[in-house]
Amino acid sequence: DTGVSQNPRHKITKRGQNVTFRCDPISEHNRLYWYRQTLGQGPEFLTYFQNEAQLEKSRLLSDRFSAERPKGSFSTLEIQRTEQGDSAMYLCASSLVRADYGDTQYFGPGTRLTVL
Amino acid sequence: RKEVEQDPGPFNVPEGATVAFNCTYSNSASQSFFWYRQDCRKEPKLLMSVYSSGNEDGRFTAQLNRASQYISLLIRDSKLSDSATYLCVVNEGGYNKLIFGAGTRLAVHP
Repeated sequence: DTGVSQNPRHKITKRGQNVTFRCDPISEHNRLYWYRQTLGQGPEFLTYFQNEAQLEKSRLLSDRFSAERPKGSFSTLEIQRTEQGDSAMYLCASSLVRADYGDTQYFGPGTRLTVL
Repeated sequence: RKEVEQDPGPFNVPEGATVAFNCTYSNSASQSFFWYRQDCRKEPKLLMSVYSSGNEDGRFTAQLNRASQYISLLIRDSKLSDSATYLCVVNEGGYNKLIFGAGTRLAVHP
């Protein structure tokens, strides 16, 4: 399968614990996005990378959240001191942007986080 | 006001029916527009892009009215497999982050 992959698919944790999610984009895609989706809502943008550079962060991304894409390939999203309000589906998307090519974002299956 | 607004539904229609969804967006500088489909507990998948001239893909027709900041999706001859949530999506340009509506739920019944 050459699509976007995310691990783990499900994570249950206790309030106050740290969690880390991983996203592997489609190979050769240079952009990687993180979104969060809660029940009954559409996905909300969190942050985005162009290669290894993190170029934009939403104000939804509090200082407990950090994302990295160290070699411009896979990315990790870490949440420190989790709160019950962090319970959501965390979606990763990737795209290939070139001067002559449109930017279609392809989503991974998501990581569903439940904070008890 | 939400950046992208949709009627949440649900729209309950019989097989073979024609159904239309509408969406409005608030940022007049938005540059590109899409409909995504999301099945229950699955990731969003691109259904189609939306162009100013209108575009059709099989049973699906999308329209964009930039003056009114309005996007529509028409589904003809509904199938049971069309049951899903349809997300109206706007790309405001720049870094291409997608702004999603909350989705419109469609349930097609026999």
